[in-house]
Amino acid sequence: GENVEQHPSTLSVQEGDSAVIKCTYSDSASNYFPWYKQELGKRPQLIIDIRSNVGEKKDQRIAVTLNKTAKHFSLHITETQPEDSAVYFCAASKAGTALIFGKGTTLSVSS
Amino acid sequence: GAVVSQHPSRVICKSGTSVKIECRSLDFQATTMFWYRQFPKQSLMLMATSNEGSKATYEQGVEKDKFLINHASLTLSTLTVTSAHPEDSSFYICSARVETTEPMFFGPGTRLTVL
Repeated sequence: GENVEQHPSTLSVQEGDSAVIKCTYSDSASNYFPWYKQELGKRPQLIIDIRSNVGEKKDQRIAVTLNKTAKHFSLHITETQPEDSAVYFCAASKAGTALIFGKGTTLSVSS
Repeated sequence: GAVVSQHPSRVICKSGTSVKIECRSLDFQATTMFWYRQFPKQSLMLMATSNEGSKATYEQGVEKDKFLINHASLTLSTLTVTSAHPEDSSFYICSARVETTEPMFFGPGTRLTVL
C-alpha cells in the first residue's frame, strides 16, 4: 500500500520568512496530493492540492510542486504570518480511494 | 466546500461500554466514507472505508468486530466502538468526497475518552 514520508517534523521560522515542507510517496499509481492544515482539536482543512498531471500550483502565498519521477511533492509558504502556525499534513491517494497521510509538520511562526 | 458533520463532538464513557459515532454528508450523497483515528500529536491513521450498502473494508490491524461500521444510507455512516477500553481513547474523524475526483472533506471529529 501507499506510504507517505514527511519532513521536517517541526519547523520554526520568523514572520515574513518562507517555509518549505517536503513529502515523498511510494505508490507510483497515486495521482492526487493534497495538503491540510490542522489546528489543535479541530478538523483538517484543505489548503491546496495538486494532481499528477500538473507540476506546480499556486494560491496566493501557498504553492505546491510535484515531481512524479522522484515521487515527491512540496509545500511552500511565503511571507509567513503568526496565523500560519499549525500542524500541516501532506497526503496521497488514487482516484476514489482513501487519503494516506504523512506524519505531519508542526510549523511555528514567531513575530 | 462540501459539509460533513459528526455527532457527538465529545463523549466520555466507562470501560466496557459501547459508543456510536455518526458521520453525515449534509449537502451531497456519499457512497463511500472513510474513518480515521488520530492519537495526540500524531497523524490521521486510516481505520476503514465505509461503503454504502455493503461491508466496510478495514485496514490491517483494525479489529472489525470491535469497530463496527454501518453505512445504511448515502448520507450516513456510523462507527460503533464496542467494549471500549482506555486505549481506544482518541480523536475519530470521518471524511467523504462529493465525487471520486473531488477533494476530501472532513467531519469536525469526535473526541472519545474511555475511563
